Amino acid sequence: RKEVEQDPGPFNVPEGATVAFNCTYSNSASQSFFWYRQDCRKEPKLLMSVYSSGNEDGRFTAQLNRASQYISLLIRDSKLSDSATYLCAVPGTYDSWGKFQFGAGTQVVVTP
Amino acid sequence: GAVVSQHPSWVICKSGTSVKIECRSLDFQATTMFWYRQFPKQSLMLMATSNEGSKATYEQGVEKDKFLINHASLTLSTLTVTSAHPEDSSFYICSARDPLAGVSEQFFGPGTRLTVL
Repeated sequence: RKEVEQDPGPFNVPEGATVAFNCTYSNSASQSFFWYRQDCRKEPKLLMSVYSSGNEDGRFTAQLNRASQYISLLIRDSKLSDSATYLCAVPGTYDSWGKFQFGAGTQVVVTP
Repeated sequence: GAVVSQHPSWVICKSGTSVKIECRSLDFQATTMFWYRQFPKQSLMLMATSNEGSKATYEQGVEKDKFLINHASLTLSTLTVTSAHPEDSSFYICSARDPLAGVSEQFFGPGTRLTVL
């Protein structure tokens, strides 16, 4: 089993709709989590961090479910500019402290 | 957030040559930088952790003699792909942690796209 798994998508979302997707992680000791947005042929850019139960920033909401070991990202009122690949990142613990494990990414395509 | 730069942004080279990629933290000092590689439609894979003033630590399966890392100052790490071959063609991205920004948050450089002919 991979340490961080994501549904690759693509999630085709009509403009204005809501989309949500999950990221599961295997290390139960993980304390913090990150969502990055990556546009085609570009570097990942930090979207949100999740340290406790969840985080909200405008149209974006991230939630953490420790019992089931997954984090989710919800995008409300989708914009065309939200089209991107969303990467989940989980920092390592113990001897992997500081290292990030990335999921393969979830592709979101917002259509007019 | 903190700013990390990479140079060059893209490079095309012949098989057998070596290519050096620079990663700089512009507005903070980074004792640790990370080098990733990303193939098309795949995730970022950590190659190695670059530690200022000491040897880099490589992930399993990454050849340290092929991917030479030097972290000579608190703001610069370099990755040299030696004797590059077409299978080394990839998107190489560095990241750095700003100790003042948070325990584990990483900031990424814009990446270097390497094409080996």
